[in-house]
Amino acid sequence: EAGVTQFPSHSVIEKGQTVTLRCDPISGHDNLYWYRRVMGKEIKFLLHFVKESKQDESGMPNNRFLAERTGGTYSTLKVQPAELEDSGVYFCASSAGGNSPLHFGNGTRLTVT
Amino acid sequence: SQQGEEDPQALSIQEGENATMNCSYKTSINNLQWYRQNSGRGLVHLILIRSNEREKHSGRLRVTLDTSKKSSSLLITASRAADTASYFCATVNTGGFKTIFGAGTRLFVKA
Repeated sequence: EAGVTQFPSHSVIEKGQTVTLRCDPISGHDNLYWYRRVMGKEIKFLLHFVKESKQDESGMPNNRFLAERTGGTYSTLKVQPAELEDSGVYFCASSAGGNSPLHFGNGTRLTVT
Repeated sequence: SQQGEEDPQALSIQEGENATMNCSYKTSINNLQWYRQNSGRGLVHLILIRSNEREKHSGRLRVTLDTSKKSSSLLITASRAADTASYFCATVNTGGFKTIFGAGTRLFVKA
Protein backbone atom coordinates (compact mmCIF):
# COMPACT_ATOMS: atom_id res chain seq x y z
CA GLU A 1 0.00 0.00 0.00
CA ALA A 2 1.12 3.55 -0.61
CA GLY A 3 2.32 5.30 2.52
CA VAL A 4 1.52 8.73 3.88
CA THR A 5 2.77 11.42 1.55
CA GLN A 6 3.45 15.02 2.35
CA PHE A 7 4.05 17.96 0.05
CA PRO A 8 6.21 19.93 -0.19
CA SER A 9 9.21 18.29 1.45
CA HIS A 10 10.79 21.68 2.06
CA SER A 11 9.46 25.22 2.07
CA VAL A 12 11.31 28.45 2.67
CA ILE A 13 9.14 31.54 3.03
CA GLU A 14 9.47 35.01 4.41
CA LYS A 15 7.80 36.20 7.57
CA GLY A 16 4.27 37.35 6.79
CA GLN A 17 3.78 35.05 3.83
CA THR A 18 1.35 32.16 3.61
CA VAL A 19 2.21 28.49 3.25
CA THR A 20 -0.04 25.50 2.74
CA LEU A 21 1.14 22.01 3.59
CA ARG A 22 -0.60 18.97 2.22
CA CYS A 23 -0.92 15.44 3.55
CA ASP A 24 -2.32 12.40 1.77
CA PRO A 25 -2.99 9.64 4.31
CA ILE A 26 -3.06 5.94 3.66
CA SER A 27 -6.26 5.10 1.83
CA GLY A 28 -8.97 3.98 4.22
CA HIS A 29 -7.42 5.54 7.31
CA ASP A 30 -10.06 7.65 9.01
CA ASN A 31 -7.66 9.11 11.57
CA LEU A 32 -5.27 11.82 10.47
CA TYR A 33 -2.89 13.72 12.73
CA TRP A 34 -0.63 16.73 12.37
CA TYR A 35 2.49 17.11 14.51
CA ARG A 36 5.34 19.61 14.60
CA ARG A 37 8.94 19.28 15.74
CA VAL A 38 10.92 22.41 16.45
CA MET A 39 14.71 22.47 16.84
CA GLY A 40 15.09 18.85 17.96
CA LYS A 41 12.57 19.21 20.75
CA GLU A 42 9.54 17.02 21.38
CA ILE A 43 7.22 16.07 18.57
CA LYS A 44 4.26 18.22 19.50
CA PHE A 45 0.68 17.24 18.74
CA LEU A 46 -1.26 19.81 16.74
CA LEU A 47 -4.57 18.21 15.86
CA HIS A 48 -6.49 15.06 15.04
CA PHE A 49 -9.12 14.45 12.38
CA VAL A 50 -11.56 11.58 12.31
CA LYS A 51 -12.73 11.56 8.73
CA GLU A 52 -13.53 15.20 7.98
CA SER A 53 -14.22 16.21 11.60
CA LYS A 54 -11.72 17.75 14.00
CA GLN A 55 -11.61 15.35 16.96
CA ASP A 56 -9.04 17.35 18.91
CA GLU A 57 -7.36 20.59 17.92
CA SER A 58 -5.98 21.44 21.34
CA GLY A 59 -2.42 21.60 20.07
CA MET A 60 -2.93 24.26 17.42
CA PRO A 61 -0.70 27.19 18.44
CA ASN A 62 -3.00 30.05 17.46
CA ASN A 63 -5.47 31.23 14.87
CA ARG A 64 -2.76 31.69 12.25
CA PHE A 65 -2.96 27.93 11.74
CA LEU A 66 -5.90 26.42 9.85
CA ALA A 67 -6.29 22.73 9.13
CA GLU A 68 -8.87 21.22 6.85
CA ARG A 69 -9.79 17.77 5.66
CA THR A 70 -12.58 18.23 3.17
CA GLY A 71 -14.22 14.98 2.18
CA GLY A 72 -12.23 13.08 4.75
CA THR A 73 -9.37 12.30 2.41
CA TYR A 74 -6.31 14.53 2.16
CA SER A 75 -5.64 17.32 4.61
CA THR A 76 -4.09 20.76 4.37
CA LEU A 77 -2.46 22.86 7.04
CA LYS A 78 -2.24 26.55 6.25
CA VAL A 79 -0.10 29.03 8.13
CA GLN A 80 -1.10 32.64 7.52
CA PRO A 81 0.76 34.87 8.17
CA ALA A 82 3.87 32.88 8.98
CA GLU A 83 6.12 33.94 11.85
CA LEU A 84 9.75 33.02 12.57
CA GLU A 85 8.76 30.67 15.40
CA ASP A 86 6.67 28.59 13.00
CA SER A 87 9.85 27.09 11.55
CA GLY A 88 10.18 23.37 12.10
CA VAL A 89 9.30 20.03 10.64
CA TYR A 90 5.59 19.34 10.22
CA PHE A 91 4.64 15.68 10.25
CA CYS A 92 1.39 14.11 9.18
CA ALA A 93 0.35 10.65 10.31
CA SER A 94 -2.64 8.44 9.72
CA SER A 95 -4.04 5.35 11.39
CA ALA A 96 -6.93 2.95 11.15
CA GLY A 97 -7.90 3.78 14.74
CA GLY A 98 -8.07 1.76 17.95
CA ASN A 99 -4.63 0.51 18.92
CA SER A 100 -3.38 0.70 15.35
CA PRO A 101 0.01 2.39 15.07
CA LEU A 102 0.51 5.72 13.38
CA HIS A 103 1.98 5.77 9.89
CA PHE A 104 4.02 8.89 9.29
CA GLY A 105 4.93 10.87 6.23
CA ASN A 106 8.47 12.15 5.77
CA GLY A 107 7.49 15.59 6.96
CA THR A 108 7.64 19.10 5.54
CA ARG A 109 10.57 21.18 6.70
CA LEU A 110 9.33 24.76 6.97
CA THR A 111 11.79 27.61 7.30
CA VAL A 112 10.48 31.11 7.91
CA THR A 113 13.06 33.85 7.35
CA SER B 1 6.60 18.79 27.55
CA GLN B 2 3.21 17.49 26.53
CA GLN B 3 3.68 14.12 28.14
CA GLY B 4 7.06 12.77 29.09
CA GLU B 5 10.70 12.55 28.38
CA GLU B 6 13.17 10.06 27.01
CA ASP B 7 16.44 9.44 28.75
CA PRO B 8 19.22 9.73 27.76
CA GLN B 9 18.92 12.47 25.15
CA ALA B 10 21.82 10.92 23.24
CA LEU B 11 23.60 7.58 23.41
CA SER B 12 26.74 6.42 21.63
CA ILE B 13 27.74 2.74 21.72
CA GLN B 14 29.86 0.21 19.84
CA GLU B 15 28.32 -2.23 17.43
CA GLY B 16 27.39 -5.42 19.25
CA GLU B 17 26.63 -3.69 22.55
CA ASN B 18 23.14 -3.34 23.98
CA ALA B 19 21.35 0.00 23.99
CA THR B 20 18.83 0.94 26.65
CA MET B 21 16.57 3.94 26.39
CA ASN B 22 14.09 5.05 29.02
CA CYS B 23 10.84 6.94 28.85
CA SER B 24 8.77 8.58 31.55
CA TYR B 25 5.24 9.84 31.20
CA LYS B 26 2.79 11.78 33.32
CA THR B 27 -0.75 10.51 32.96
CA SER B 28 -2.65 7.22 32.95
CA ILE B 29 -2.23 5.50 29.63
CA ASN B 30 -4.01 3.04 27.39
CA ASN B 31 -0.81 1.95 25.69
CA LEU B 32 2.77 3.01 25.08
CA GLN B 33 4.55 2.77 21.76
CA TRP B 34 8.10 3.13 20.53
CA TYR B 35 8.97 4.65 17.18
CA ARG B 36 12.18 5.08 15.27
CA GLN B 37 13.16 7.93 12.99
CA ASN B 38 16.01 7.96 10.52
CA SER B 39 17.31 11.39 9.62
CA GLY B 40 15.05 13.20 7.18
CA ARG B 41 12.40 10.52 7.25
CA GLY B 42 9.12 9.95 9.05
CA LEU B 43 8.72 7.94 12.22
CA VAL B 44 8.30 4.20 11.94
CA HIS B 45 6.37 2.20 14.51
CA LEU B 46 8.45 -0.44 16.32
CA ILE B 47 6.38 -1.94 19.10
CA LEU B 48 3.28 -1.34 21.22
CA ILE B 49 2.79 -2.40 24.82
CA ARG B 50 -0.61 -2.18 26.47
CA SER B 51 -1.10 -0.82 29.97
CA ASN B 52 -1.84 -4.30 31.35
CA GLU B 53 1.37 -5.76 29.92
CA ARG B 54 4.75 -5.61 31.62
CA GLU B 55 7.13 -6.83 28.95
CA LYS B 56 7.10 -7.41 25.23
CA HIS B 57 9.64 -8.69 22.71
CA SER B 58 10.05 -8.22 19.00
CA GLY B 59 13.23 -9.52 17.41
CA ARG B 60 16.15 -7.71 19.04
CA LEU B 61 13.79 -5.31 20.81
CA ARG B 62 12.59 -5.69 24.38
CA VAL B 63 10.17 -3.23 25.93
CA THR B 64 9.17 -3.06 29.57
CA LEU B 65 6.42 -1.01 31.15
CA ASP B 66 6.04 -0.05 34.80
CA THR B 67 2.74 1.76 35.22
CA SER B 68 3.35 2.35 38.95
CA LYS B 69 6.45 4.38 38.07
CA LYS B 70 4.98 5.69 34.81
CA SER B 71 8.05 4.57 32.93
CA SER B 72 9.11 2.33 30.08
CA SER B 73 12.39 1.13 28.66
CA LEU B 74 13.46 0.00 25.21
CA LEU B 75 16.36 -2.40 24.96
CA ILE B 76 18.04 -3.08 21.64
CA THR B 77 20.30 -6.10 21.89
CA ALA B 78 23.39 -6.74 19.77
CA SER B 79 23.17 -3.31 18.19
CA ARG B 80 24.17 -2.69 14.57
CA ALA B 81 25.35 0.43 12.79
CA ALA B 82 22.00 0.43 10.98
CA ASP B 83 20.25 0.96 14.33
CA THR B 84 21.61 4.51 14.36
CA ALA B 85 18.49 6.71 14.54
CA SER B 86 16.31 8.68 16.93
CA TYR B 87 13.93 6.69 19.09
CA PHE B 88 10.71 8.10 20.50
CA CYS B 89 8.26 6.81 23.02
CA ALA B 90 4.63 7.75 22.60
CA THR B 91 1.60 7.31 24.81
CA VAL B 92 -2.13 7.19 24.27
CA ASN B 93 -3.98 8.41 27.34
CA THR B 94 -6.75 6.37 28.92
CA GLY B 95 -9.93 7.23 27.07
CA GLY B 96 -8.03 9.43 24.67
CA PHE B 97 -7.38 9.27 21.00
CA LYS B 98 -4.27 11.30 20.50
CA THR B 99 -0.75 9.92 20.63
CA ILE B 100 1.73 12.06 22.54
CA PHE B 101 5.47 11.94 21.85
CA GLY B 102 8.56 12.88 23.78
CA ALA B 103 11.73 14.55 22.51
CA GLY B 104 13.46 11.29 21.63
CA THR B 105 16.82 9.64 22.24
CA ARG B 106 19.46 9.92 19.55
CA LEU B 107 21.29 6.61 19.26
CA PHE B 108 24.61 6.36 17.45
CA VAL B 109 26.06 2.90 16.91
CA LYS B 110 29.70 2.90 15.90
CA ALA B 111 30.87 0.19 13.53
